[in-house]
Amino acid sequence: QVQLVQSGAEVKKPGASLKVSCKASGYTFTNYAMHWVRQAPGQRLEWMGWIHGGNGNTKYSQRFQDRVTISRDTSASTAYMELRGLRSGDTAIYYCARKMRSYWYFDYWGQGTLITVSS
Amino acid sequence: SYVLTQPPSVSVAPGQTARITCGGDNFGSKSVHWYQQRPGQAPGVVVYDDSDRPSGIPERFSGSNSGNTATLTISRVEAGDEADYYCQVWDSSRDHVLFGGGTKLTVV
Repeated sequence: QVQLVQSGAEVKKPGASLKVSCKASGYTFTNYAMHWVRQAPGQRLEWMGWIHGGNGNTKYSQRFQDRVTISRDTSASTAYMELRGLRSGDTAIYYCARKMRSYWYFDYWGQGTLITVSS
Repeated sequence: SYVLTQPPSVSVAPGQTARITCGGDNFGSKSVHWYQQRPGQAPGVVVYDDSDRPSGIPERFSGSNSGNTATLTISRVEAGDEADYYCQVWDSSRDHVLFGGGTKLTVV
């Protein structure tokens, strides 16, 4: 069965960087795109960007494009999301989500990674 | 920029019908997808492509999209349906994914 397993919760200081991993199993990683979505406490879901598992092409939200890098390691079936220049407003749960091949929705989600930015 | 507007909350009695709306310009040209998010859990799709249900989602969940409004309808609401619901589209003009602000469904 399809599973997306993310790395564990972290506490970061303002100005630092974070890198969250998302290990996929149960399907051919290179056939699907992986997206990243975050959710600040009590707030809406916010799309950050995506990477194609096969060709590695990326697209970022304009809101994050100066601070985010999404990458993947096909040999490990793992996607990564790096966010730089952290501030308190980046405190959130970060999710990876697999995009369905024929439609623009997400059929599987990781369990989420809580990132707390605090001095 | 394109914005999706949802009511912050909807309340309904058990057994009744809940309707959650999602508004956006020129919605008819976009496919709308709906997610359910229970507290402490990741979201899960309940309706995709305006009105299709993934396997395992009860027939009580249905969707429609007309004009500038998409609607998620939950019939015969149960206590277990209490959750936040989000609409989502792909904005092809910017190649961006957009989520609505979310609607908290309360079963009273």
